[in-house]
Amino acid sequence: EVQLVESGGGLVQPGRSLRLSCAASGFNFYDYDMHWVRQAPGKGLEWVSSISWNSGNIGYADSVKGRFTISRDNAKNSLFLQMNSLRVEDTALYYCAKDISGGGRVVVPYFDNWGQGTLVTVSS
Amino acid sequence: SYVLTQPPSVSVAPGKTARITCGGNNIGTKSVHWYLQKTGQAPVLVIYYDDDRPSGIPERFSGSNSGNTATLTISRVEAGDEADYYCQVWDSSSDHRVFGGGTKLTVL
Repeated sequence: EVQLVESGGGLVQPGRSLRLSCAASGFNFYDYDMHWVRQAPGKGLEWVSSISWNSGNIGYADSVKGRFTISRDNAKNSLFLQMNSLRVEDTALYYCAKDISGGGRVVVPYFDNWGQGTLVTVSS
Repeated sequence: SYVLTQPPSVSVAPGKTARITCGGNNIGTKSVHWYLQKTGQAPVLVIYYDDDRPSGIPERFSGSNSGNTATLTISRVEAGDEADYYCQVWDSSSDHRVFGGGTKLTVL
């Protein structure tokens, strides 16, 4: 069974930093692309960032580009999101999501598994 | 950037059919995926590649996609189907994933 467990959320002041982690199990983590998706309170889903299985392809939403950095450690089955220069509007539940793509497979990607999320609150 | 438009809410009586639309420019040329999210829970994939169902998703859930509109259809709606539903596509030009704004399904 695929399990994705996020951690690292909390209350942080504007302008400060936070690092989120996602521990993966139940599948060959090294073989799949991974994502961070967030949901502000009472709002919809927003894709934040993605990283390919081999870290060779990385992408960011315009809203976080230049402030957030995604990374992964395949040896430790872990995904990370370093969030710098945090803003009030970054307040959200951050989900780790697994893609079906990766490992050189040529497929149209989608999210097939999600974690339960970790809450980030940016407030003074 | 590519934009997906969903109605904020859809209401349906139990046993009837609910249709949730997702509009986008030439969306029929893209693969559309649908997720449901119940209150306080993580999203769950219910339809992928326009009209395929993951294992464990009832046959009552189906999808279609043509022109500028994709549609999620839920037949014989049950109270347990109440949730927020999101459509999603891959914008290949930017390699970004795009979500619709979400539709709240209310079972009357």
